[in-house]
Order: sequence, then C-alpha cells, then structure tokens
Amino acid sequence: GNSVTQMEGPVTLSEEAFLTINCTYTATGYPSLFWYVQYPGEGLQLLLKATKADDKGSNKGFEATYRKETTSFHLEKGSVQVSDSAVYFCALSGPADSNYQLIWGAGTKLIIKP
Amino acid sequence: GAVVSQHPSWVICKSGTSVKIECRSLDFQATTMFWYRQFPKQSLMLMATSNEGSKATYEQGVEKDKFLINHASLTLSTLTVTSAHPEDSSFYICSASMYSNQPQHFGDGTRLSIL
Repeated sequence: GNSVTQMEGPVTLSEEAFLTINCTYTATGYPSLFWYVQYPGEGLQLLLKATKADDKGSNKGFEATYRKETTSFHLEKGSVQVSDSAVYFCALSGPADSNYQLIWGAGTKLIIKP
Repeated sequence: GAVVSQHPSWVICKSGTSVKIECRSLDFQATTMFWYRQFPKQSLMLMATSNEGSKATYEQGVEKDKFLINHASLTLSTLTVTSAHPEDSSFYICSASMYSNQPQHFGDGTRLSIL
C-alpha cells in the first residue's frame, strides 16, 4: 500500500541555517505530494504541494520538488527563522478517483534556536 | 478562502459525559469531511470519512458507536464522543474538501481532556 517515510526528529538548527527534511514515499500510480505544518497547539496548515513529477512546490521560503525517480519530496529552506519552529508532516494522496485520503508521514519536529 | 472552523478549541469534562465537536466550512461547501485523532508527538490517525447526506465510513479499529459522526449539511459535520473516558483524551482535527478529489482544508483542532 501507499506509505510515507520522514526523517525522525527533532531537528535542531540555529537561526539562518539551511534546512532539509527528508521525505520518501511508496505509491502506486501518480500521487500528489504535500507538506503540512503544525504550530504548537494548532491544527494543520498546508505549506506546499506538488501534483506531478518534477513539479516544485514553494511557499514562505520553503521548497520541495516531486522526484519520481527517487520517490522523494524533500523539504528545504535556505535560511530558517525561530518562527519556523513547528512540526512538519509530509503526506501523499492517491489518484483522483480515490476519496482524496491523505497518507501521512510521522512528522518531524523542527526547533530553531536564536 | 477555504476556511474551516472547529469548535470548541478546548474542552474539559468529566468521565461518562458526551462531547460534541463541530466542524464548519465557512466559505465553501464541503462534500467530504474527515475526522482525525492525534496523540501527543504522533502523526494524525484518520478516524472516519463522511460524505454529506451519507453514513460515515470508519477506519478499522474505530468504534462507530463511540464516535458518532453526522454530516447533515454541506457546511457542517459533527463528531460526538459518547460516554467519554480518560483514554479518549486527545487532539481531534477535522478537515473538509469541496469534492472528493480536491485538497483537504483543516480546522485548528479540538483538545479534549476527560477527567
């Protein structure tokens, strides 16, 4: 079945450091890929998405490229801020004829120190 | 656009009471709504999927008589935790999508604490 694997956290970085959070997936067909962010005590917000191979999703300085050849969707940011501290979830959804159910990674907690 | 409101954001109640959580799509009509449960430091666990006007589809291991889901309109779904016990304490999150093949938009979650 479909699955998502994320790097384990917590990831602790200093402000202005470069961020990479790895995400790989297993899926049949051509899934859509997502990164969601959850700030402390809050629900989830869609950070970015990509719906086909080689698409790059970007938002708020974060980027991720849909790599079908490596089945990956790694999240990157060139210079992180303290306000980026949150839990980041990688997720995929199946083909359009599914109920658009999301398959979630375990989440990676990101801690940015000033 | 695509705002989902969840209420209440936090509830504390005694063991044995029933708790209702509302999920509303404020600026779009949601054909499909999802209910998730999140344990501390863990990922989201899908509990059930509900389509407006139909019975909810529950994931394996989720008690449908314990977690009652109603999706009576295109803008409102409710989750009722019946006879809640301390082990039901958790963070419950709903999401809504306009159509079954459209992205989900999430509420801010409800923290449920059962004493």
